[in-house]
Amino acid sequence: SAVISQKPSRDICQRGTSLTIQCQVDSQVTMMFWYRQQPGQSLTLIATANQGSEATYESGFVIDKFPISRPNLTFSTLTVSNMSPEDSSIYLCSGLTGGEYGYTFGSGTRLTVV
Amino acid sequence: ELKVEQNPLFLSMQEGKNYTIYCNYSTTSDRLYWYRQDPGKSLESLFVLLSNGAVKQEGRLMASLDTKARLSTLHITAAVHDLSATYFCAVDAGNMLTFGGGTRLMVKP
Repeated sequence: SAVISQKPSRDICQRGTSLTIQCQVDSQVTMMFWYRQQPGQSLTLIATANQGSEATYESGFVIDKFPISRPNLTFSTLTVSNMSPEDSSIYLCSGLTGGEYGYTFGSGTRLTVV
Repeated sequence: ELKVEQNPLFLSMQEGKNYTIYCNYSTTSDRLYWYRQDPGKSLESLFVLLSNGAVKQEGRLMASLDTKARLSTLHITAAVHDLSATYFCAVDAGNMLTFGGGTRLMVKP
């Protein structure tokens, strides 16, 4: 199955600033996704990253707050903009490889906003 | 809208005991996944269930899928402390995962 490298693994950021998270897949995946996991909670889908076009956002998430890029089939970025303490979460990227392997997840980015 | 309900949300059990985690979902799907998450870590894939009646086993864990009942189970046999983690089921509804709320499992000596 594919392996996803995600960075940074963690960061502490000042409110009002922005952080860009990167995910690199070692092989082509058909789809890539970004999730948020708030402390003690399950995973919530932020958006599907579409290659070469605008991401598809889930209800409650907007492009101005979470701009996403996917310039090719193996790379994607998520930016958390104008951060507030409520954005403190783990952010995970995922790729769909299909078949029996299904979905692979990056190692996650633990974000703390102070 | 697909809803995935997992129970229990928290499970404290003694080593050597058996228990089952349940995952119910609200719409038709033929693909269901089970993941393990250790504190501060990402998700580790445990099982991929691709058809009705699928049963998979790995060590002390066994997962099954009943698509007619829209139910999957994760059975733990003779639990050991190393199984302490949070377990998530996730349902694939058209190349998009919806996660259950997770079951935090604590296995006590």
